[in-house]
Amino acid sequence: SQQGEEDPQALSIQEGENATMNCSYKTSINNLQWYRQNSGRGLVHLILIRSNEREKHSGRLRVTLDTSKKSSSLLITASRAADTASYFCATDLPKAAGNKLTFGGGTRVLVKP
Amino acid sequence: KAGVTQTPRYLIKTRGQQVTLSCSPISGHRSVSWYQQTPGQGLQFLFEYFSETQRNKGNFPGRFSGRQFSNSRSEMNVSTLELGDSALYLCASSYEGILRSEQYFGPGTRLTVT
Repeated sequence: SQQGEEDPQALSIQEGENATMNCSYKTSINNLQWYRQNSGRGLVHLILIRSNEREKHSGRLRVTLDTSKKSSSLLITASRAADTASYFCATDLPKAAGNKLTFGGGTRVLVKP
Repeated sequence: KAGVTQTPRYLIKTRGQQVTLSCSPISGHRSVSWYQQTPGQGLQFLFEYFSETQRNKGNFPGRFSGRQFSNSRSEMNVSTLELGDSALYLCASSYEGILRSEQYFGPGTRLTVT
């Protein structure tokens, strides 16, 4: 199973509403990253949050990290149609597991105008 | 700064053939990593090259290989193609590497194996 798993798998909201998605992981991490992917294209980096950080903001994005629960959340406020995309969390695995970066299955977000 | 570029963007190959994909990172970035994305398996890490050395490797068979040149450009090679190798192959570059800094992704190469 994957290190990071997003929840929900899909989300449909109206423009102007907030969208929240969660990422859970299994092993300890050094940092966690969120990426956005528009249909079939490359990923765009959104936010990197380190294990000693609890919250980070970037424009309309807010990311929280709870290392005790091994979970992170991404909040998009005042969503726009352009926010329609898939959102992925990525976590690093410890050196013993090969220093890999693993991505979750993603949350597909549809923002309806 | 120019972004990450990948060539070719689309490719159709036949089973048993081999293929080479190319990735040019953002100027100054020393790390290039490769990913395979399929509907069934999602986004999977293939390998990372940093300053011409393979630093990390995912769980892919030896048919998947790569290299990085002194100008940080990277190539990925897949030999003896199988139908299951059909996927979007993404490369990403970063300054400090996949575990320390954000990555910038290219648009991907869509490989179809028939």
